[in-house]
Amino acid sequence: KNQVEQSPQSLIILEGKNCTLQCNYTVSPFSNLRWYKQDTGRGPVSLTIMTFSENTKSNGRYTATLDADTKQSSLHITASQLSDSASYICVVSPSGGNEKLTFGTGTRLTIIP
Amino acid sequence: NAGVMQNPRHLVRRRGQEARLRCSPMKGHSHVYWYRQLPEEGLKFMVYLQKENIIDESGMPKERFSAEFPKEGPSILRIQQVVRGDSAAYFCASSGERAFPYEQYFGPGTRLTVT
Repeated sequence: KNQVEQSPQSLIILEGKNCTLQCNYTVSPFSNLRWYKQDTGRGPVSLTIMTFSENTKSNGRYTATLDADTKQSSLHITASQLSDSASYICVVSPSGGNEKLTFGTGTRLTIIP
Repeated sequence: NAGVMQNPRHLVRRRGQEARLRCSPMKGHSHVYWYRQLPEEGLKFMVYLQKENIIDESGMPKERFSAEFPKEGPSILRIQQVVRGDSAAYFCASSGERAFPYEQYFGPGTRLTVT
């Protein structure tokens, strides 16, 4: 069964600190992995998309890594800001399109001043 | 350049009534996806449509739920005879075909509450 598991379920850190969120998946076949940010009451917003040939991709203070051999990904947030408080969702696609996406349940990140 | 639009943002229905959720994709996008998000759960795929065609409805319950994306106008997700278990956030996403992988953009969602 295709699954995406994320850890931790929730995380609280001080403003300015760094953090790393984890994602393990068992989706097969595999085409690409995406990280989304979802603010409370809003729709998910894409942060990065990585295909199986990419090991790392950055978007500002967000850096995602991918190890397709171990089926693991991480999202590293540098110098956290209060606006980073949100749920971060890992999503795996078996094809280049958006069919059959498997979503993780997300990591709820809270940044405190 | 407006993003994906959904309306209404909040919808309250009594058990047994019908709910109609609308989604206008981003300009130039011809692919629409509907997802449901229950509290404390991940998004679950429901249906994938292109203009006038249902491509994949494998995630949509066979009873009471239907979706369409007409040639003109928004995509509509219709839930007949709603039950309490239908209470959830429903998100629509759209994508074009300009670059692989085909990134999708989400709307703000419609929060359905069944009383």
